[in-house]
Amino acid sequence: SSELTQDPAVSVALGQTVRITCQGDSLRSSYASWYQQKPGQAPVLVIYAKNKRPSGIPDRFSGSSSGNTASLTITGAQAEDEADYYCNSRDSSGNPGVFGGGTKLTVL
Amino acid sequence: EVQLVESGGGLVKPGGSLRLSCAASGLTFSKAWMSWVRQAPGKGLEWVGRIKTKTDGGTTDYAAPVKGRFTISRDDSKNRLYLQMNSLKTEDTAVYYCTTDQGDSSSNWFDPWGQGTLVTVSS
Repeated sequence: SSELTQDPAVSVALGQTVRITCQGDSLRSSYASWYQQKPGQAPVLVIYAKNKRPSGIPDRFSGSSSGNTASLTITGAQAEDEADYYCNSRDSSGNPGVFGGGTKLTVL
Repeated sequence: EVQLVESGGGLVKPGGSLRLSCAASGLTFSKAWMSWVRQAPGKGLEWVGRIKTKTDGGTTDYAAPVKGRFTISRDDSKNRLYLQMNSLKTEDTAVYYCTTDQGDSSSNWFDPWGQGTLVTVSS
């Protein structure tokens, strides 16, 4: 299968920890990358190569993987973390062709 | 700082053509694999296709919905990426982003992204 499944919406209280998950067969052989997108803006890479953060991404963002599930964890969520989050991985052809449907994170 | 700036979007009728351009700066463009990703209004991200470096063969790969209609090319002398879109359909309406396509043996990622250009296919 070349599909990645994400929960459509997740909420978290300010300062608490939230986990956003991504499931798919392709994750058994390829790590996910994660993107944050705020309204009207381009996506921003927040996690890649399982658990690496690009420069400028706060260390409250972390990634993990087990079997066919990848997770993005935000430890101590802030108001500015409210956004849509997308996972991505390679498909069976080795192309970076698979995005999850996205998770809308609300910080309460 | 790497910057990617897309241009060329606009309104086009079904069946028409459009060429998008992405101007890259702040990187050695000839060494970068590049991808186009699109996002229909209110929808999620969809990978469109990629082009490898000339060193890696300059080959292209496309998503099934656009294969045979879209063509990705590059001009390394101008640091530009292109997306030629033919036989456009209403479902091609989206913001189109260009991005560098990076990876290792076990993962791939897109970083950074341009600001996007809107393509509207409508009669």
